[in-house]
Amino acid sequence: DVKVTQSSRYLVKRTGEKVFLECVQDMDHENMFWYRQDPGLGLRLIYFSYDVKMKEKGDIPEGYSVSREKKERFSLILESASTNQTSMYLCASSPPTTGYEQFFGPGTRLTVL
Amino acid sequence: RKEVEQDPGPFNVPEGATVAFNCTYSNSASQSFFWYRQDCRKEPKLLMSVYSSGNEDGRFTAQLNRASQYISLLIRDSKLSDSATYLCVLYTGNQFYFGTGTSLTVIP
Repeated sequence: DVKVTQSSRYLVKRTGEKVFLECVQDMDHENMFWYRQDPGLGLRLIYFSYDVKMKEKGDIPEGYSVSREKKERFSLILESASTNQTSMYLCASSPPTTGYEQFFGPGTRLTVL
Repeated sequence: RKEVEQDPGPFNVPEGATVAFNCTYSNSASQSFFWYRQDCRKEPKLLMSVYSSGNEDGRFTAQLNRASQYISLLIRDSKLSDSATYLCVLYTGNQFYFGTGTSLTVIP
């Protein structure tokens, strides 16, 4: 079974802190994604990556950056956390075939105070 | 305009009922379509892909209508365990787009 893990299920940070969210997948997938999910807005794509050291902006990249130094690991960074970044963050991975199924991690519920 | 539009519900149906969800999309070049299921406080998981010819998996039937740009999901003989949020997803060849989800509660 594909397994996507995220470093924390729940996280509480203060405004202005630098926040790292880690995601690891064990299926050698090329594609990895970071989404945030908010009530009434659904899942929105923040960044994605189709290969090591490669990154592309999604629909809402402002306030975020990413790092992909190894194929299995995709990190989301909040350079200076703000209260409007309080959300559920979901990482996903998928095989290289375009349009194929995405496998999600369990999510990180981030609260910024 | 959103790429994907879904009726958020909630749909409350008795056990054994048949229920259908629709989802409309705006990008006529969309290539692939899916229904995902998300349980409360859990991650989304693939329920089924949607093909032009329609496809069935047990009590679940998915349809795609490219001319009218919508996809549908039909659940027959609803079970309590079907209670969840159902997400419509499409792939445009560049990225995935998710609907906001339709909430279903099956009542005993």
